Amino acid sequence: QKEVEQDPGPLSVPEGAIVSLNCTYSNSAFQYFMWYRQYSRKGPELLMYTYSSGNKEDGRFTAQVDKSSKYISLFIRDSQPSDSATYLCAMSLFTGNQFYFGTGTSLTVIP
Amino acid sequence: DGGITQSPKYLFRKEGQNVTLSCEQNLNHDAMYWYRQDPGQGLRLIYYSQIVNDFQKGDIAEGYSVSREKKESFPLTVTSAQKNPTAFYLCASSRPTGSGNTIYFGEGSWLTVV
Repeated sequence: QKEVEQDPGPLSVPEGAIVSLNCTYSNSAFQYFMWYRQYSRKGPELLMYTYSSGNKEDGRFTAQVDKSSKYISLFIRDSQPSDSATYLCAMSLFTGNQFYFGTGTSLTVIP
Repeated sequence: DGGITQSPKYLFRKEGQNVTLSCEQNLNHDAMYWYRQDPGQGLRLIYYSQIVNDFQKGDIAEGYSVSREKKESFPLTVTSAQKNPTAFYLCASSRPTGSGNTIYFGEGSWLTVV
């Protein structure tokens, strides 16, 4: 079993829709949870970062962590064509410098 | 601006040649990483370094070598022993443990073997 599982999609939505992207994980010791956006042929860009459980909001983006279910989500409200990209989730422990990544979900927002 | 700079962006190599990818960061991060990204396979760790003059093999280190002589620099050499080197290579660095464990990436280098 992989440490982090992420549905690769592809996911296609109309402009203005609410998008939900999800990852599940197996290691209950993960404490830091990250979401990255990666445009084609570019490096991943850090979008959201949360520590432990709870929600974090930044503009149209909301990151949610449910440690009891080992499940994290990224919600995108009022999706735009510029949101079309691959979204990667990542996790790490409280100490150490190792990171665990999902394989990414490809999202297309249709105008 | 602070960030991670990778060069070159695109590189073509003939079979049998070694090639070195450059990675420089000015974020004052201690840890640096090299990942390989292939379509549908996610990120795979090649090497990482937590401090200067020390580095560890990742999951797919065979055919690659690194050095860490300066905190800011972590070059990757793709040797002729790497059987399938054509890929997108990403350099990254992470914040010190205890001050938020996040990882930041450069823009990547595309290597094509011809």
